[in-house]
Amino acid sequence: EIVMTQSPATLSVSPGERATLSCRASQSVSSHLAWYQQKPGQPPRLLIYGASTRATGIPARFSGSGSGTEFTLTISSLQSEDFAVYYCQQYNNWPPWTFGQGTKVEIK
Amino acid sequence: EVQLLESGGGLVQPGGSLRLSCAASGFTFSSYAMNWVRQAPGKGLEWVSAISGSGGTTYYADSVKGRFTLSRDNSKNTLYLQMNSLRAEDTAVYSCAKSPYWDYMDVWGKGTTVTVSS
Repeated sequence: EIVMTQSPATLSVSPGERATLSCRASQSVSSHLAWYQQKPGQPPRLLIYGASTRATGIPARFSGSGSGTEFTLTISSLQSEDFAVYYCQQYNNWPPWTFGQGTKVEIK
Repeated sequence: EVQLLESGGGLVQPGGSLRLSCAASGFTFSSYAMNWVRQAPGKGLEWVSAISGSGGTTYYADSVKGRFTLSRDNSKNTLYLQMNSLRAEDTAVYSCAKSPYWDYMDVWGKGTTVTVSS
């Protein structure tokens, strides 16, 4: 089973600043990596797939990069609606499909 | 509009059973793999089970293998999760999610809450 590790657990950022979230895989997942955003009381929303492709309707301030075992989600200028929990998920070696434990982006 | 609507959650005693349903609309249901993903209170996301578009192939997390059974009725655009021998650690919000293939999950339902407690 591939273990996904996200860091940091919590990221405190001021509105308008850049946020950088990390996700590491225990072995290579190539570019088979997705990012999700989850707000309280809501289901996850797909942001990025293929490590760097934005899903339909996702603003350009969200970008993904990386391959192999190291991945990054960058939010270029945080808006109020971006404060949420973010999860990475690998889909290279399955089953199981595995998620990271999440990074909470909170207002500084 | 693509939509997934779960139902069937509730309070059940340890050792009991529940059947969850996920009604799909807005897309060709039989063309896509479907998943169940759960989230325990205050915890992260855990993949539970997946099924192919035809229903002929299923996968399960080790934590539910032998206790949960995933199926689908493509004539009714509905996904089912039969959960038996429920344990306290199965308490979670269960969401169904659509996958373009055996990959990421591009559409999610809002979920249904399962509470296992005496």
